[in-house]
Amino acid sequence: QVQLVQSGAEVKEPGASVKVSCKASGYTFTSYGISWVRQAPGQGLEWMGWISSYNGHTKYAQKLQGRVTMTTDTSTSTAYMELRRLRSDDTAVYYCARSIYGSGSPPLYWGQGTLVTVSS
Amino acid sequence: NFMLTQPHSVSESPGKTVTISCTRSSGSIASNFVQWYQQRPGSAPTTVIYEDHQRPSGVPDRFSGSIDSSSNSASLTISGLKTEDEADYYCQSYDSNSVVFGGGTKLTVL
Repeated sequence: QVQLVQSGAEVKEPGASVKVSCKASGYTFTSYGISWVRQAPGQGLEWMGWISSYNGHTKYAQKLQGRVTMTTDTSTSTAYMELRRLRSDDTAVYYCARSIYGSGSPPLYWGQGTLVTVSS
Repeated sequence: NFMLTQPHSVSESPGKTVTISCTRSSGSIASNFVQWYQQRPGSAPTTVIYEDHQRPSGVPDRFSGSIDSSSNSASLTISGLKTEDEADYYCQSYDSNSVVFGGGTKLTVL
């Protein structure tokens, strides 16, 4: 069965960077894309971007351009999301999700989430 | 960019049927597929409907999705409500520039 297992919770100071991992199993990693979605405390879902696991092509939400980088390691079937210059309003649960079909299609399977807390 | 507007909350009794709407602000609702996600308290989202009306394996047929071009909206209908259906529900769609989520609807089954 498809599984996405994310790395553990992180606490970061403002201005620092965080890198969250998402290890996939149960399917051919390069045949599907990975989206990243975040959810601030008590708020709704916010799309951050997606990456093609086949060729590394990315598309990011405009508000995060320049601060976010998404990558994949096909040798370990792992996707990564790095967010730089962290601010307090980046405090959120970060989710990875596998696409329905190829890259660019909406999420179908979701990881368990990673809480990132930004605080001094 | 467009917006997807959902009611903030709905409530219904067990065994009844409830429909949650999702209205697109600009552009046709039919131009890009709509997905629906269920999120129980303290848990990650799960997909209950994709491509307007498709159900992932394991999702009961009590869940159905549709779109209505006349109102430029999508709907999620849950029949035979169970207490376990109590959750937040988010619609989602996209255009060439971005992916957009609705603000979410809190479903209370009482």
